[in-house]
Amino acid sequence: KQEVTQIPAALSVPEGENLVLNCSFTDSAIYNLQWFRQDPGKGLTSLLLIQSSQREQTSGRLNASLDKSSGRSTLYIAASQPGDSATYLCAVLFSGGYNKLIFGAGTRLAVHP
Amino acid sequence: DARVTQTPRHKVTEMGQEVTMRCQPILGHNTVFWYRQTMMQGLELLAYFRNRAPLDDSGMPKDRFSAEMPDATLATLKIQPSEPRDSAVYFCASGQGQGSYGYTFGSGTRLTVV
Repeated sequence: KQEVTQIPAALSVPEGENLVLNCSFTDSAIYNLQWFRQDPGKGLTSLLLIQSSQREQTSGRLNASLDKSSGRSTLYIAASQPGDSATYLCAVLFSGGYNKLIFGAGTRLAVHP
Repeated sequence: DARVTQTPRHKVTEMGQEVTMRCQPILGHNTVFWYRQTMMQGLELLAYFRNRAPLDDSGMPKDRFSAEMPDATLATLKIQPSEPRDSAVYFCASGQGQGSYGYTFGSGTRLTVV
């Protein structure tokens, strides 16, 4: 079964810390992996998209890495700010047959001043 | 900015009533996903379409849920009859082809069945 797991489930840190959010997936046959941000009561905003042939993608203070063979991705947030507080979701597009976009349960991040 | 439009944003209905949620994918996108989000289950894939054809709806309770794409600009998710356990936020997402460019999500429909 194709599954996506995110660790930790929740994280509370003081402003300024560098953070690592983890995502693991059970099947290495993936097409790509996408990190999303979700604010309370809102929709999903795409942060980064990594193709299966890529090792990492960067956008501002965000860096996402992908190790397909070990079934892992990490989202690195540098110099965290209170505005980064949200839930971060990892979504894997599994290949083979019909591509399915499967989500992890998310990491709820709180950055306090 | 191109966006996925979902209507209605909020819906409160009584148990047993029919509910229809609509999604307008981004123009040119030929893949559409429907998800349900709850606190307990997170984001569950209900159904998805490519070129208006249903590819997989195994995540959907077949007895009461149905999903269709009457044309390329409209996807619908219908619940009949609705039950309190259907209360959730329903998201639609669209993308191109195999998903090479990722997927864009709508703002969701928050459904409350009382």
